[in-house]
Amino acid sequence: QKEVEQNSGPLSVPEGAIASLNCTYSDRGSQSFFWYRQYSGKSPELIMFIYSNGDKEDGRFTAQLNKASQYVSLLIRDSQPSDSATYLCAVNTGGFKTIFGAGTRLFVKA
Amino acid sequence: NAGVTQTPKFRILKIGQSMTLQCTQDMNHNYMYWYRQDPGMGLKLIYYSVGAGITDKGEVPNGYNVSRSTTEDFPLRLELAAPSQTSVYFCASSYGPSGGAGLTDTQYFGPGTRLTVL
Repeated sequence: QKEVEQNSGPLSVPEGAIASLNCTYSDRGSQSFFWYRQYSGKSPELIMFIYSNGDKEDGRFTAQLNKASQYVSLLIRDSQPSDSATYLCAVNTGGFKTIFGAGTRLFVKA
Repeated sequence: NAGVTQTPKFRILKIGQSMTLQCTQDMNHNYMYWYRQDPGMGLKLIYYSVGAGITDKGEVPNGYNVSRSTTEDFPLRLELAAPSQTSVYFCASSYGPSGGAGLTDTQYFGPGTRLTVL
């Protein structure tokens, strides 16, 4: 059973702090990795994707991938209350096959 | 460019009734998907399609059927609704492998259909 594991949270951080969200996956053949944000009652929307080991930055967001440890993370710098949402980690194991984690709820306190 | 659209937004069914959830995308994506999301849970894949005329089962297909007669449309049929099918249903689409690096399986989601079976 191929799995994607996330801490369900909630993760609570003060405004302006760095929020760190983590994800592990079981399939070593996984090829691409995605972070989606889902506001309550809304559909998931893509924040970032990453393919290669290391860091990838986009504005306040940094995705980090370590394939040897089967670990992917998302850092949110200067967290804002508007970042409060559930963050879904998704792992593509080839072709159509993308597996979603259950998500981590993030609260940013003003 | 509307992206992925779904209808209806909300629906209440009685046990044993049937209905079709509609999904349309205007991005010329090859791949389309149906997921269900139960409260506090992740997305579970019901069915997917890699192109018109081609569909296959996902993780939780029982009680559902799909068809894909055009690139744009991917309806989900519920037959003999049961309370266990109470959920939020999301349709998604993606370019698939032909989209090139960076685009493969980046999924674009519709707004969802909230279904209650009583």
